[in-house]
Amino acid sequence: KAGVTQTPRYLIKTRGQQVTLSCSPISGHRSVSWYQQTPGQGLQFLFEYFSETQRNKGNFPGRFSGRQFSNSRSEMNVSTLELGDSALYLCASSYGQGSNTEAFFGQGTRLTVV
Amino acid sequence: AQSVTQLGSHVSVSEGALVLLRCNYSSSVPPYLFWYVQYPNQGLQLLLKYTSAATLVKGINGFEAEFKKSETSFHLTKPSAHMSDAAEYFCAVIRGGTASKLTFGTGTRLQVTL
Repeated sequence: KAGVTQTPRYLIKTRGQQVTLSCSPISGHRSVSWYQQTPGQGLQFLFEYFSETQRNKGNFPGRFSGRQFSNSRSEMNVSTLELGDSALYLCASSYGQGSNTEAFFGQGTRLTVV
Repeated sequence: AQSVTQLGSHVSVSEGALVLLRCNYSSSVPPYLFWYVQYPNQGLQLLLKYTSAATLVKGINGFEAEFKKSETSFHLTKPSAHMSDAAEYFCAVIRGGTASKLTFGTGTRLQVTL
Protein backbone atom coordinates (compact mmCIF):
# COMPACT_ATOMS: atom_id res chain seq x y z
CA LYS A 1 0.00 0.00 0.00
CA ALA A 2 1.51 3.31 -1.04
CA GLY A 3 2.08 5.86 1.69
CA VAL A 4 1.25 9.53 1.74
CA THR A 5 2.85 11.24 -1.23
CA GLN A 6 3.75 14.89 -1.21
CA THR A 7 4.94 16.77 -4.26
CA PRO A 8 7.22 18.43 -4.88
CA ARG A 9 9.79 17.47 -2.25
CA TYR A 10 11.72 20.69 -2.58
CA LEU A 11 10.71 24.10 -3.83
CA ILE A 12 12.39 27.48 -4.07
CA LYS A 13 10.23 30.54 -4.57
CA THR A 14 10.72 34.29 -4.52
CA ARG A 15 9.02 36.64 -2.10
CA GLY A 16 5.64 37.75 -3.38
CA GLN A 17 5.05 34.65 -5.50
CA GLN A 18 2.47 32.02 -4.75
CA VAL A 19 2.93 28.29 -4.39
CA THR A 20 0.77 25.17 -4.50
CA LEU A 21 1.72 22.00 -2.67
CA SER A 22 0.08 18.66 -3.31
CA CYS A 23 -0.71 15.71 -1.08
CA SER A 24 -2.01 12.31 -2.15
CA PRO A 25 -3.30 10.39 0.88
CA ILE A 26 -3.19 6.67 1.42
CA SER A 27 -5.81 4.93 -0.65
CA GLY A 28 -9.10 4.87 1.24
CA HIS A 29 -8.18 7.66 3.62
CA ARG A 30 -10.64 10.52 3.66
CA SER A 31 -9.03 12.92 6.12
CA VAL A 32 -6.05 15.09 5.23
CA SER A 33 -4.31 17.51 7.57
CA TRP A 34 -1.50 19.96 6.91
CA TYR A 35 1.23 21.09 9.29
CA GLN A 36 4.01 23.64 9.04
CA GLN A 37 7.35 22.82 10.66
CA THR A 38 9.95 25.53 11.34
CA PRO A 39 12.93 25.64 13.70
CA GLY A 40 11.43 28.58 15.56
CA GLN A 41 7.77 27.62 15.84
CA GLY A 42 7.99 23.85 15.66
CA LEU A 43 5.08 21.87 14.28
CA GLN A 44 1.94 23.90 13.82
CA PHE A 45 -1.43 22.79 12.53
CA LEU A 46 -2.65 24.51 9.38
CA PHE A 47 -5.95 22.87 8.46
CA GLU A 48 -7.83 19.62 8.15
CA TYR A 49 -10.09 18.39 5.40
CA PHE A 50 -12.55 15.54 5.51
CA SER A 51 -14.68 14.57 2.55
CA GLU A 52 -13.84 17.82 0.73
CA THR A 53 -14.87 20.01 3.68
CA GLN A 54 -12.52 22.01 5.84
CA ARG A 55 -13.20 20.78 9.37
CA ASN A 56 -10.59 22.61 11.35
CA LYS A 57 -8.25 25.54 10.79
CA GLY A 58 -5.15 26.68 12.61
CA ASN A 59 -4.06 30.18 13.42
CA PHE A 60 -2.55 31.19 10.09
CA PRO A 61 -3.24 34.22 7.90
CA GLY A 62 -5.64 34.04 4.99
CA ARG A 63 -2.70 33.73 2.59
CA PHE A 64 -2.71 30.06 3.52
CA SER A 65 -5.55 28.12 1.95
CA GLY A 66 -6.31 24.59 0.98
CA ARG A 67 -8.79 22.31 -0.63
CA GLN A 68 -9.60 18.67 -0.98
CA PHE A 69 -10.84 16.93 -4.08
CA SER A 70 -13.37 14.14 -4.44
CA ASN A 71 -10.56 11.57 -4.61
CA SER A 72 -9.28 12.89 -1.24
CA ARG A 73 -6.17 14.43 -2.74
CA SER A 74 -5.44 17.77 -1.20
CA GLU A 75 -3.62 20.92 -2.15
CA MET A 76 -2.52 23.84 -0.08
CA ASN A 77 -1.75 27.25 -1.50
CA VAL A 78 0.28 30.07 -0.08
CA SER A 79 -0.06 33.43 -1.77
CA THR A 80 2.21 36.46 -1.52
CA LEU A 81 5.05 34.45 -0.07
CA GLU A 82 7.12 35.89 2.75
CA LEU A 83 10.57 34.85 3.92
CA GLY A 84 8.98 33.48 7.10
CA ASP A 85 6.98 30.98 5.07
CA SER A 86 10.15 28.98 4.52
CA ALA A 87 9.39 25.68 6.22
CA LEU A 88 8.79 21.99 5.88
CA TYR A 89 5.13 21.44 5.07
CA LEU A 90 3.81 18.08 6.17
CA CYS A 91 0.65 16.38 5.11
CA ALA A 92 -1.00 13.63 7.12
CA SER A 93 -3.81 11.34 6.12
CA SER A 94 -6.11 9.16 8.17
CA TYR A 95 -9.01 6.88 7.44
CA GLY A 96 -11.55 8.79 9.48
CA GLN A 97 -11.64 11.61 11.91
CA GLY A 98 -10.82 11.87 15.53
CA SER A 99 -8.49 10.38 18.05
CA ASN A 100 -9.12 6.74 17.23
CA THR A 101 -7.57 7.02 13.82
CA GLU A 102 -3.87 7.03 13.18
CA ALA A 103 -2.37 9.84 11.14
CA PHE A 104 0.21 8.82 8.55
CA PHE A 105 2.62 11.52 7.47
CA GLY A 106 4.23 12.16 4.12
CA GLN A 107 7.88 13.11 3.75
CA GLY A 108 7.01 16.75 3.39
CA THR A 109 7.68 19.56 0.97
CA ARG A 110 10.56 21.81 1.91
CA LEU A 111 9.74 25.33 0.77
CA THR A 112 12.46 27.95 0.66
CA VAL A 113 11.46 31.55 0.04
CA VAL A 114 14.24 33.84 -1.14
CA ALA B 1 -6.74 23.74 25.60
CA GLN B 2 -4.61 20.65 25.38
CA SER B 3 -0.84 21.04 25.26
CA VAL B 4 2.29 19.01 25.85
CA THR B 5 5.66 20.01 27.25
CA GLN B 6 8.81 18.15 26.41
CA LEU B 7 11.62 18.59 28.88
CA GLY B 8 15.03 18.76 27.28
CA SER B 9 15.52 19.78 23.68
CA HIS B 10 18.60 17.57 23.41
CA VAL B 11 19.32 14.26 25.08
CA SER B 12 22.53 12.30 24.63
CA VAL B 13 22.94 8.67 25.64
CA SER B 14 25.53 5.99 25.05
CA GLU B 15 24.69 3.04 22.86
CA GLY B 16 23.13 0.38 25.07
CA ALA B 17 22.01 2.85 27.73
CA LEU B 18 18.46 3.60 28.79
CA VAL B 19 16.59 6.17 26.76
CA LEU B 20 14.18 8.42 28.67
CA LEU B 21 12.40 11.25 26.88
CA ARG B 22 10.03 13.30 28.99
CA CYS B 23 6.59 14.57 28.11
CA ASN B 24 4.01 16.21 30.35
CA TYR B 25 0.53 17.05 29.20
CA SER B 26 -1.97 19.65 30.17
CA SER B 27 -5.54 18.65 29.68
CA SER B 28 -8.88 19.12 31.32
CA VAL B 29 -10.24 15.94 29.81
CA PRO B 30 -8.67 12.50 29.32
CA PRO B 31 -6.21 13.04 26.51
CA TYR B 32 -5.11 10.94 23.62
CA LEU B 33 -1.32 11.03 23.56
CA PHE B 34 1.18 10.10 20.90
CA TRP B 35 4.91 9.83 20.35
CA TYR B 36 6.27 10.41 16.87
CA VAL B 37 9.82 10.09 15.54
CA GLN B 38 11.33 12.14 12.74
CA TYR B 39 14.52 11.20 10.96
CA PRO B 40 16.45 13.87 9.01
CA ASN B 41 14.60 15.09 5.94
CA GLN B 42 11.71 12.76 6.63
CA GLY B 43 8.13 13.02 7.79
CA LEU B 44 6.81 11.81 11.11
CA GLN B 45 6.38 8.18 12.04
CA LEU B 46 4.10 7.07 14.83
CA LEU B 47 5.93 5.21 17.59
CA LEU B 48 2.99 4.60 19.90
CA LYS B 49 -0.28 6.06 21.14
CA TYR B 50 -2.26 6.12 24.36
CA THR B 51 -6.01 5.93 24.04
CA SER B 52 -6.95 4.95 27.62
CA ALA B 53 -7.03 1.20 26.98
CA ALA B 54 -3.84 0.53 28.98
CA THR B 55 -1.48 2.79 30.89
CA LEU B 56 1.67 1.05 29.61
CA VAL B 57 1.84 1.32 25.87
CA LYS B 58 4.29 -0.63 23.75
CA GLY B 59 5.33 0.76 20.42
CA ILE B 60 7.62 0.00 17.55
CA ASN B 61 11.41 -0.35 17.68
CA GLY B 62 11.38 -1.38 21.35
CA PHE B 63 9.94 1.88 22.66
CA GLU B 64 7.25 2.10 25.30
CA ALA B 65 5.55 4.83 27.31
CA GLU B 66 3.61 4.89 30.53
CA PHE B 67 0.63 7.15 31.10
CA LYS B 68 0.65 8.50 34.65
CA LYS B 69 -2.40 10.58 35.40
CA SER B 70 -1.17 11.61 38.85
CA GLU B 71 1.96 13.11 37.27
CA THR B 72 0.29 14.18 34.00
CA SER B 73 3.18 12.49 32.24
CA PHE B 74 3.70 10.24 29.24
CA HIS B 75 7.44 9.62 29.16
CA LEU B 76 9.01 7.57 26.37
CA THR B 77 11.56 4.90 27.26
CA LYS B 78 13.70 2.28 25.62
CA PRO B 79 15.88 -0.07 27.67
CA SER B 80 18.86 -0.08 25.34
CA ALA B 81 19.66 2.65 22.84
CA HIS B 82 20.85 1.85 19.36
CA MET B 83 22.68 4.15 16.98
CA SER B 84 19.68 4.01 14.66
CA ASP B 85 17.53 5.64 17.36
CA ALA B 86 19.22 8.99 16.76
CA ALA B 87 16.41 11.23 15.59
CA GLU B 88 13.99 13.87 16.81
CA TYR B 89 11.08 12.76 18.94
CA PHE B 90 7.80 14.58 19.34
CA CYS B 91 5.11 14.12 21.92
CA ALA B 92 1.62 15.11 20.75
CA VAL B 93 -1.89 15.33 22.12
CA ILE B 94 -5.27 15.25 20.46
CA ARG B 95 -8.46 16.59 21.92
CA GLY B 96 -10.55 13.55 21.22
CA GLY B 97 -13.95 13.12 19.72
CA THR B 98 -14.04 14.08 16.09
CA ALA B 99 -11.07 16.40 16.33
CA SER B 100 -8.03 15.23 14.40
CA LYS B 101 -5.78 18.17 15.14
CA LEU B 102 -2.51 17.13 16.74
CA THR B 103 -0.80 19.56 19.09
CA PHE B 104 2.92 18.82 19.23
CA GLY B 105 5.59 19.45 21.79
CA THR B 106 8.77 21.25 20.82
CA GLY B 107 10.65 18.03 20.22
CA THR B 108 13.67 16.30 21.74
CA ARG B 109 16.68 15.49 19.65
CA LEU B 110 18.20 12.19 20.72
CA GLN B 111 21.90 11.67 20.14
CA VAL B 112 23.38 8.20 20.58
CA THR B 113 27.11 7.92 21.08
CA LEU B 114 29.47 4.95 20.99
